[in-house]
Amino acid sequence: AQSVSQHNHHVILSEAASLELGCNYSYGGTVNLFWYVQYPGQHLQLLLKYFSGDPLVKGIKGFEAEFIKSKFSFNLRKPSVQWSDTAEYFCAVNAHDMRFGAGTRLTVKP
Amino acid sequence: DAGVTQSPTHLIKTRGQQVTLRCSPISGHKSVSWYQQVLGQGPQFIFQYYEKEERGRGNFPDRFSARQFPNYSSELNVNALLLGDSALYLCASSLAQNMNTEAFFGQGTRLTVV
Repeated sequence: AQSVSQHNHHVILSEAASLELGCNYSYGGTVNLFWYVQYPGQHLQLLLKYFSGDPLVKGIKGFEAEFIKSKFSFNLRKPSVQWSDTAEYFCAVNAHDMRFGAGTRLTVKP
Repeated sequence: DAGVTQSPTHLIKTRGQQVTLRCSPISGHKSVSWYQQVLGQGPQFIFQYYEKEERGRGNFPDRFSARQFPNYSSELNVNALLLGDSALYLCASSLAQNMNTEAFFGQGTRLTVV
């Protein structure tokens, strides 16, 4: 079965700082990749997804992620974070069913 | 349009009891998946149902069972509750079973076992 690793458990940034959250997966076949976000008190929401094509995908709220097949990675980036980006971020991989990483808590200081 | 709805929102049960959680998918969605999210961890896959049949099962004991009804709603049952079953239980719906579909999540049911 596939598995997902998120390297950062808690990231603290100041507003306007750049963000990169790491995600690696283990699965040898074709996968679809996702980043979900969970704002405090809200349900999981999709940030972006990769199915095929251009490995650089853009999502909502200025987020983007790059799929690097050779590295089994799908890192999430944002050039300039805002206080409202404070949330929990989950990387997920869907090969047969969707598996999530442990999540990264992002705190953005105003 | 209504999103994925789950009931109840909160639940407190005693060890050894049984619990049933309910999920209504987005209209038109035929696939429902269940996840367990323990505090500080990511959602763990429990089951996927599509067209009323189990299509996937995670690494959970047989105390966990589920079913999907003709209207595509779903129930998750947990028997002989343990303290470790305390978690947020999430339901997600998607249009189809295959991996090329986005999952939409409900708010979850917070289960506390005492």
